[in-house]
Amino acid sequence: DVKVTQSSRYLVKRTGEKVFLECVQDMDHENMFWYRQDPGLGLRLIYFSYDVKMKEKGDIPEGYSVSREKKERFSLILESASTNQTSMYLCASSLSWQANYGYTFGSGTRLTVV
Amino acid sequence: GQQVMQIPQYQHVQEGEDFTTYCNSSTTLSNIQWYKQRPGGHPVFLIQLVKSGEVKKQKRLTFQFGEAKKNSSLHITATQTTDVGTYFCAGHSGAGSYQLTFGKGTKLSVIP
Repeated sequence: DVKVTQSSRYLVKRTGEKVFLECVQDMDHENMFWYRQDPGLGLRLIYFSYDVKMKEKGDIPEGYSVSREKKERFSLILESASTNQTSMYLCASSLSWQANYGYTFGSGTRLTVV
Repeated sequence: GQQVMQIPQYQHVQEGEDFTTYCNSSTTLSNIQWYKQRPGGHPVFLIQLVKSGEVKKQKRLTFQFGEAKKNSSLHITATQTTDVGTYFCAGHSGAGSYQLTFGKGTKLSVIP
């Protein structure tokens, strides 16, 4: 089975800190995604990547950046954390852009910004 | 942009009753996917439908894709407590579309 591993399950950071969320997948998937999940708002796409060093903005990229230096790793960066970025962050991957593959999600990182 | 609406937002059923959640897109979809998220868990891919009018079954779960490829449904027959969770639909809007748009989900509670 494909595994998507997120480095932290829970994280507490202070306002203004730079925060790194790491995601690693082990099945050579081309595409990787970062979502945030908030009650009543569902899953919202922050950024995605379809190849190494490539990145595309999703629906809510403001306040975030990403890095994909290796195929298996996709990092989400909060340049200066704010309280409105308190959320559950979910990383996902899929095999390719042929639209026949479901996404595999990691277990999520619950980030609290105080 | 593309919107995927899902209803109802919440559903409480007695164990053994049936359950249905509906998904409607503002645009024609190339495919529709369904995911289940257990309480405290992460979304898990269930199935994908691609063809107009397609119907697929997984044990007590029946998935349908509308003729116009703008709506879909998930029906669970005789719910069990293991069915508890939030069910999401998600769709790609067409060829070359990178983005999978998720509905907000239907949260199912099953009363034993």
